[in-house]
Amino acid sequence: DAMVIQNPRYQVTQFGKPVTLSCSQTLNHNVMYWYQQKSSQAPKLLFHYYDKDFNNEADTPDNFQSRRPNTSFCFLDIRSPGLGDAAMYLCATSRDRLAQETQYFGPGTRLLVL
Amino acid sequence: AQSVTQLGSHVSVSEGALVLLRCNYSSSVPPYLFWYVQYPNQGLQLLLKYTSAATLVKGINGFEAEFKKSETSFHLTKPSAHMSDAAEYFCAVGAGNKLTFGGGTRVLVKP
Repeated sequence: DAMVIQNPRYQVTQFGKPVTLSCSQTLNHNVMYWYQQKSSQAPKLLFHYYDKDFNNEADTPDNFQSRRPNTSFCFLDIRSPGLGDAAMYLCATSRDRLAQETQYFGPGTRLLVL
Repeated sequence: AQSVTQLGSHVSVSEGALVLLRCNYSSSVPPYLFWYVQYPNQGLQLLLKYTSAATLVKGINGFEAEFKKSETSFHLTKPSAHMSDAAEYFCAVGAGNKLTFGGGTRVLVKP
């Protein structure tokens, strides 16, 4: 089945130790998004790629970066994780960057910072 | 600017009873509206979406929602709750290149 895959599902890192989360998609969608979701809250958009064009949200900390080496893969890099970065990180894709487009979500990676 | 308000962060229903989750939106342009469901430790799954084709939208798992422009609402309903409906539900409005989510409603289903 075509889908959005996130690895790993659970990630434990140490305070200040860089960590990379991975997302891949078999939908061949142009847009890939990264969201942060803290407990009992709505997902918060960090940034998205439209093809190779990177679009950062204004309030996303510099500590969060992303790479999209090809259509299928997108990575979230947290350069120096703090305790406040512990959250579920969701990757999503959509065919295009239009308001009516459905976003398809992966299962998420839960990040724990020790 | 677009915004979404979900009334009630928690809803408890008995198995077999009506599920009603409320969503009101604010949008400066004709809205595209979505309901997503999130099961524990999972991503979001689309239940249904409104894109102006019909005001009553049917989705998966027996859910439906009605778009009411005069009330700026897009409430989600299911006639008969099942234990498997226990999850968190998010209403969202699509605008430009992003989704704006409501705060979510967690549904508890009692046997």
